[in-house]
This record gives sequence, C-alpha cells and structure tokens, in this order.
Amino acid sequence: KAGVTQTPRYLIKTRGQQVTLSCSPISGHRSVSWYQQTPGQGLQFLFEYFSETQRNKGNFPGRFSGRQFSNSRSEMNVSTLELGDSALYLCASSLAVTQGEGELFFGSGTQLSVL
Amino acid sequence: DAKTTQPNSMESNEEEPVHLPCNHSTISGTDYIHWYRQLPSQGPEYVIHGLTSNVNNRMASLAIAEDRKSSTLILHRATLRDAAVYYCIRTTGSARQLTFGSGTQLTVLP
Repeated sequence: KAGVTQTPRYLIKTRGQQVTLSCSPISGHRSVSWYQQTPGQGLQFLFEYFSETQRNKGNFPGRFSGRQFSNSRSEMNVSTLELGDSALYLCASSLAVTQGEGELFFGSGTQLSVL
Repeated sequence: DAKTTQPNSMESNEEEPVHLPCNHSTISGTDYIHWYRQLPSQGPEYVIHGLTSNVNNRMASLAIAEDRKSSTLILHRATLRDAAVYYCIRTTGSARQLTFGSGTQLTVLP
C-alpha cells in the first residue's frame, strides 16, 4: 500500500511569489491535514480537510490556504511568500473514524526555501 | 493549555529498555495521549495512543498513570533505528489537529 506522497520534495521561491504544494493521501483515507515545521516554532497545525471541506484551521494568516479534491488529494497554497515561510511542509492522511483517536500517516514533506 | 512536558533529551544503550516520560497534569477526562516519533529527514510516525488503560502494540507500550496526569512510553529493546525525537501529544478534540511540543531527543548508544 503506497504511503502519503508529497510533491515536490524541494522548492525554491523568492519573496512575493506564490507556491502550491501537493499531497496524495493513502488510498481510502478521506482526511488530509497540513503541518508546518520550522526549527524555531517546531511542528504547527495548518488545517485539515475532510470530504473537500475544511474542518479545522490553525493560527496562520490568510495567505495560507488549501483545498481538497473529490479523490481526497489535497493542495496547499501560500501567496505573497515571506522569508519566514521557509519551512518543511508536511501532509498527513487518516481514516478519520473517530474524533479523539486514529493515527496520522505523514508524508516526507516539501522543503520550501524562500529567498 | 494542551501542552505536555517532556525531557529535552535522553540516552539509552542498544538492546536495553527505554522509558520516555511525559507530564500532562491538566489533562481532561476525554483527552487521549498520542505518541509520535520523527526520524531525521522524515515526517512524524505514529507510535501509540491511549486514554486510560495501558496499551501495547508491536512498536511500544504506553503506561498511563492512574490519575492520568503522566504517562510513559516504553521501548522494550532499543535499537539504533529508534533514535529519533519522540513527541507526547494530548489531543483536546480532533486527533488530526495535533499540538506538538518540542519532544524528547532519544539517542541510542551502540
């Protein structure tokens, strides 16, 4: 069974540009969550999508957005990039059976560098 | 406050058991305890989770204190591949909106 696939693996952008990251969840998983990881702030929750609807959102500015398609694949978009957006962006999928339980399956992430 | 408290780092010898502690003194009755670990250059990996009772799986055991204010992740025989950052997470609500702390960096010595 294939794991969570994130593309691209590495990305270099300049300030002011926008970027789109892609995530393909494990087959059958309908929930996709996004996390940002930086050395200073650690792992922080961005948002979660389930059945094409955003269900939870973390404390990030509106420049960070996402969407989910009918096949559960998800994209994350960051507009007007800032230097501080340089980070490892991780996608995780899950079966989302019950609220407090269940495990997340993480991809290897997309390393974004903003110059 | 959904945070947990863990030691910054721990060391263990290969093939010996490892006990990773976690304090969650403000936990509520419906909060689960999840453990994830992150190996270098990889995304986090689920290890185990529990609510009240001790839990075992092929990777580890989770011992939860009777008052639920602390828990311990037990790796029965540490291997070099277990060297990672281990995160203890208390889920207040969705298990998909995780609040990661700084975790414990586990070093396994050969």
